[in-house]
Amino acid sequence: SQQGEEDPQALSIQEGENATMNCSYKTSINNLQWYRQNSGRGLVHLILIRSNEREKHSGRLRVTLDTSKKSSSLLITASRAADTASYFCATGGERGGTSYGKLTFGQGTILTVHP
Amino acid sequence: DTAVSQTPKYLVTQMGNDKSIKCEQNLGHDTMYWYKQDSKKFLKIMFSYNNKELIINETVPNRFSPKSPDKAHLNLHINSLELGDSAVYFCASVEGTPHRGTEAFFGQGTRLTVV
Repeated sequence: SQQGEEDPQALSIQEGENATMNCSYKTSINNLQWYRQNSGRGLVHLILIRSNEREKHSGRLRVTLDTSKKSSSLLITASRAADTASYFCATGGERGGTSYGKLTFGQGTILTVHP
Repeated sequence: DTAVSQTPKYLVTQMGNDKSIKCEQNLGHDTMYWYKQDSKKFLKIMFSYNNKELIINETVPNRFSPKSPDKAHLNLHINSLELGDSAVYFCASVEGTPHRGTEAFFGQGTRLTVV
């Protein structure tokens, strides 16, 4: 079954603006990851946050995790046209759960950054 | 060097045919996956292998048969192809067991079109 729901499904912004994407999930998790997919390409790992962490930064990326609300957000600051891609959240299931040992993906957010 | 490589990149075939997709990773990872991405970009796990042993089989029709001759290779054979099998198939690998919660490395995908 689908684990993650992403919001919005599509986001269109101008270069220099910030982009925020949200992800909600249903079951208990061990970790949550964000991936990027350029058109016609494979997925590239961006950042991983563990269930006992609340916030993580990597360059222009900021990820938050709220396990009480079962949600995460990805913020891309000072966006660039090259950030145009689809962004997916993926959850790693907790021990004993049905999602244990695999990554379960959300539907993705299509981000378009206009120059 | 490509970390996770899949062949072929594109595959067009007729209904009823049998085809194979190959995947190799040179990262020394123990766990490999097959994911299917449908036309709506939804990614769903199909199989997971750890050290040549099948550990996840997500209720995939038995027309799909994965084979792992060694831990660096995970091939996908599909019998009696159907129109609904048209999708992009991604191979991925992670270090160690999948339960550790580490980033996954994806291949570039194989776009399968059944006509």
